[in-house]
Amino acid sequence: GAGVSQTPSNKVTEKGKYVELRCDPISGHTALYWYRQSLGQGPEFLIYFQGTGAADDSGLPNDRFFAVRPEGSVSTLKIQRTERGDSAVYLCASSPLGGSNSPLHFGNGTRLTVT
Amino acid sequence: GESVGLHLPTLSVQEGDNSIINCAYSNSASDYFIWYKQESGKGPQFIIDIRSNMDKRQGQRVTVLLNKTVKHLSLQIAATQPGDSAVYFCAENNAGNMLTFGGGTRLMVKP
Repeated sequence: GAGVSQTPSNKVTEKGKYVELRCDPISGHTALYWYRQSLGQGPEFLIYFQGTGAADDSGLPNDRFFAVRPEGSVSTLKIQRTERGDSAVYLCASSPLGGSNSPLHFGNGTRLTVT
Repeated sequence: GESVGLHLPTLSVQEGDNSIINCAYSNSASDYFIWYKQESGKGPQFIIDIRSNMDKRQGQRVTVLLNKTVKHLSLQIAATQPGDSAVYFCAENNAGNMLTFGGGTRLMVKP
């Protein structure tokens, strides 16, 4: 069946611009996560949705980062006034139940490059 | 896609040999652990998981061992194949609703 889909796969933007990254989770999965992965490191948690609400946004680095999931399915990660340090692979994952005791199913990520 | 693992610890094994990848976790309260495999340009792929009430779990060609006394997790891959070449991450549920990932190990399989 279809896995987690992320678009675009690559995004190049100039410093100071606004970007949106999209995630289509596996159908029926109520939990959705955003992680960020820098070169040579493991994924780092950003935000977790259970249904439409952000259940845990403790990983968002600052108020330039925001994410929504208005209908409990597709999610958009929004980054304002991008900085070069935001360059990374942004990974989305979904899970049938959520919480921290079930495996996450990851998409292939969006590679963001801020020039 | 992004190439991960350029500065990661590397394990190099001969095709057909067994591989052992180790991970030290941080929180003694963690009760769920997962191993993920990540190939270049792709997202992490689930391999196997284990809960803290177990010390060993086996899958197809893979075994995960959990030693809670020393907070150590290992992944054993039997008869390693070229397709096993990737970066491997362990993850633990040590905080709230998310999984926390370790730094990863690159496995290189020599034909």
